[in-house]
Amino acid sequence: DVKVTQSSRYLVKRTGEKVFLECVQDMDHENMFWYRQDPGLGLRLIYFSYDVKMKEKGDIPEGYSVSREKKERFSLILESASTNQTSMYLCASRLTGGHRGAFFGQGTRLTVV
Amino acid sequence: EDQVTQSPEALRLQEGESSSLNCSYTVSGLRGLFWYRQDPGKGPEFLFTLYSAGEEKEKERLKATLTKKESFLHITAPKPEDSATYLCAVQAGSNTGKLIFGQGTTLQVKP
Repeated sequence: DVKVTQSSRYLVKRTGEKVFLECVQDMDHENMFWYRQDPGLGLRLIYFSYDVKMKEKGDIPEGYSVSREKKERFSLILESASTNQTSMYLCASRLTGGHRGAFFGQGTRLTVV
Repeated sequence: EDQVTQSPEALRLQEGESSSLNCSYTVSGLRGLFWYRQDPGKGPEFLFTLYSAGEEKEKERLKATLTKKESFLHITAPKPEDSATYLCAVQAGSNTGKLIFGQGTTLQVKP
C-alpha cells in the first residue's frame, strides 16, 4: 500500500516562528495536497501540487506557502506562525484518476503559543 | 461553485441500530465520489469510490450508494468499533486530482 509520511505527529511553536511541515510519499503520485482540519469545518485545502515545482492555491492559502522540489516530497511552510494556525494538518497524495482517491498521512497536530 | 455537504454532523446509535449518513454535492462534472473513515488523531482511510448514479459498493456493515445529487452511507447493525468520523469527498471536472471534502459525520455507536 501507499505510504504517506509526515515528519512530525505533534509540534509546538511560538508565534512568529517560521514552521516547516514535511510530507513524503513513496508511490510516485503526481498530486500532493495539504489540508487543515478543524472541528466543525472539515478538511479545507490549503495548497496542492500536480507536478514538481507546480502548485495551486486551495481555499485557504493565506499565511502559508509550499515547496515541491522533488516528486515524492511536499512541504508546507508557515511564514510567521500565528495562534489561528493551531490545527491538525493532513498531507495526502494521489494519482490523477486514481480509483482509491487520496492516501493520507497520519497528520501533524500543530499548536502555536 | 463546487460544494459538498454532509448530514447529520453527529449521530449516536445503539449497537445494532441501522442508519444512514448523507452526502449532498453540487459539482461541475463528477469524476468520482469517495468515502473515508477517520479515527481520532489519525488520517482518513479510504472506504469506497463511486462513479455513476445507481452504483453501489459494500464492505462488511457498510454500503455506499450514489444518485445524481447525493450519496448515502448505510450502516447495518453497527458495532462500537464502527464509531468514527465518516468523510465524503468529490473530484470535480478538472484533471488535477483535487478532492473537495464535506465537513464529516461523527458516528458514535454505544454498546
